[in-house]
Amino acid sequence: EVQVVESGGGLVQPGGSLRLSCAASGFTFNSYVISWVRQAPGKGLEWVSRITGSGGTTDYADSVKGRFTISRDNSKNTLYLQMNSLRVDDTAVYFCAKGSTVTTTPFDIWGQGTMVTVSS
Amino acid sequence: QSVLTQPPSVSAAPGQKVTISCSGSSSNIGNNYVSWYQQLPGTAPKLLIYENNKRPSGIPDRFSGSKSGTSATLGITGLQTGDEADYYCGTWDTSLSGGVFGGGTKLTVL
Repeated sequence: EVQVVESGGGLVQPGGSLRLSCAASGFTFNSYVISWVRQAPGKGLEWVSRITGSGGTTDYADSVKGRFTISRDNSKNTLYLQMNSLRVDDTAVYFCAKGSTVTTTPFDIWGQGTMVTVSS
Repeated sequence: QSVLTQPPSVSAAPGQKVTISCSGSSSNIGNNYVSWYQQLPGTAPKLLIYENNKRPSGIPDRFSGSKSGTSATLGITGLQTGDEADYYCGTWDTSLSGGVFGGGTKLTVL
């Protein structure tokens, strides 16, 4: 079964850091573009970042550029999101979403999400 | 404010048809494929339509997609109460070098 499973969410104070993980299985992980997409409580979807299969290319939404870093360990079939200088408006469910071998979209597989709460 | 524009809500009776619009620009919808996602309450989004009008395996043909210029449309026929969900359009934006979504449309089946 093709699946991705996020972990690492939790409660953190403003200015703090957190690292999210996304464990993948059922597909050739190193061939696919993977993204992080977040959803603030009661709000819509917001694309956060993506990384190509080799890890050689990354992109970020302006709202997180310079604070978040996406990476992957293809030997462990795992995607990461290092989040630094967290702000209250980063509070959201963070989803890991699988793209294609060439393009970022469509997102054909989504995880269940992990909740990040930034609050003092 | 979302890069892609969707109506906040639509509604129709069971068995009827509904359409959801998604408007963008030349840097996103105009030059990239559009996909549509269904998010049932409390769950992760699910891919409904990709490459403007293709359905993944397992998605019934009651769901359809189309694109014209810088706009796209999701159609749902034979509405069922189980179709009540939030629907999002999404694509890549070449100018932003990032993914973009619509603000989402809440479908109510009366």
